[in-house]
Amino acid sequence: SAVISQKPSRDICQRGTSLTIQCQVDSQVTMMFWYRQQPGQSLTLIATANQGSEATYESGFVIDKFPISRPNLTFSTLTVSNMSPEDSSIYLCSVPGQGRDNEQFFGPGTRLTVL
Amino acid sequence: KQEVTQIPAALSVPEGENLVLNCSFTDSAIYNLQWFRQDPGKGLTSLLLIQSSQREQTSGRLNASLDKSSGRSTLYIAASQPGDSATYLCAVRASGGSYIPTFGRGTSLIVHP
Repeated sequence: SAVISQKPSRDICQRGTSLTIQCQVDSQVTMMFWYRQQPGQSLTLIATANQGSEATYESGFVIDKFPISRPNLTFSTLTVSNMSPEDSSIYLCSVPGQGRDNEQFFGPGTRLTVL
Repeated sequence: KQEVTQIPAALSVPEGENLVLNCSFTDSAIYNLQWFRQDPGKGLTSLLLIQSSQREQTSGRLNASLDKSSGRSTLYIAASQPGDSATYLCAVRASGGSYIPTFGRGTSLIVHP
């Protein structure tokens, strides 16, 4: 299994500002995923963070709005830029398991409220 | 494109009842199916993982079944407790090498004393 931590756990931010969320994994992983969960909704994949290359973004998400860093195999950051109230969500970091089963593991999430 | 549906969207039951949560998917070419639990405002905790070749998995009071041909999975919770109150999410991973699963919208469960 993988143990994942995220910082901050929650934050309240003003419109127009930016917030950087950190994700730390207790083992080296090739891929790290960033998800968004808007209130009352299921999870939507924002991007896949690859070590040594640029992140791969899903349709509807762009690097200018959600820049991602992946400096090594255990750490990644997601920045939510120029925030608006529509960005209020839970942001989740996830990694695939390393075993044969390929179970997926999630961090505790960052609960963001934009005023 | 895979679509995952969870029924019911919400469920409220008295303590002690046995429950069945349903998950259906449109494309049967799956690699595995995973059930998660999410407490309000928190991350996801993995409950059970079923590989495409398996029919069911059990962990304590939880039992998950998979019928790939009909595109269905059920999560059975025996003797429900107030501590089981949470949202339960089903995620289906397609065969073909992708690590990215498709999630359902979840079933919100309340177990009242």
